[in-house]
Amino acid sequence: DQQVKQNSPSLSVQEGRISILNCDYTNSMFDYFLWYKKYPAEGPTFLISISSIKDKNEDGRFTVFLNKSAKHLSLHIVPSQPGDSAVYFCAAKALQGAQKLVFGQGTRLTINP
Amino acid sequence: NAGVTQTPKFQVLKTGQSMTLQCAQDMNHNSMYWYRQDPGMGLRLIYYSASEGTTDKGEVPNGYNVSRLNKREFSLRLESAAPSQTSVYFCASLRANYGYTFGSGTRLTVV
Repeated sequence: DQQVKQNSPSLSVQEGRISILNCDYTNSMFDYFLWYKKYPAEGPTFLISISSIKDKNEDGRFTVFLNKSAKHLSLHIVPSQPGDSAVYFCAAKALQGAQKLVFGQGTRLTINP
Repeated sequence: NAGVTQTPKFQVLKTGQSMTLQCAQDMNHNSMYWYRQDPGMGLRLIYYSASEGTTDKGEVPNGYNVSRLNKREFSLRLESAAPSQTSVYFCASLRANYGYTFGSGTRLTVV
């Protein structure tokens, strides 16, 4: 049972345009959501997060939106740059319990010059 | 350098061989985790340790054992490797409000 889903395995965007990566979840107990970025041959690195009490969090070119009623979150990157080409993982955790993160399958983002 | 260190980076095993993946963190984090990454499957939790002296199963624990040697170190052992365990393995420790800090991974191939 996939509790966190990223339905788009890949996304290609022109440099300078907006990249939108989507993520859906099924567990209503999730209260904290994170996005990770992963380059080949490296471990994932933290990008941005959002608590369930908010609907938006912004950090420079990166903005995460949370729609709790739809159990959906998205990551917006504006403007997209070639260095943004990577695999992006959505993750979620519940307030209670052992602070385990549940990850989506990942979306490979390619920024074209 | 502060962070999570994994060894080895690469390993090839024959079916039935055993090995231990090592992980150490120097950030004084209480919680540590082992994940595996497979194409189309994302990152799946194998085992975790919420604190020194405790370990618990994650989503895919079969075929693995772990040891939380001390606060810094959390090792993953394959007692009898199988081709289905071919994967990239990541160790992580928890950084509050920022999720995990990951190591750079161990690429394991079982032939």
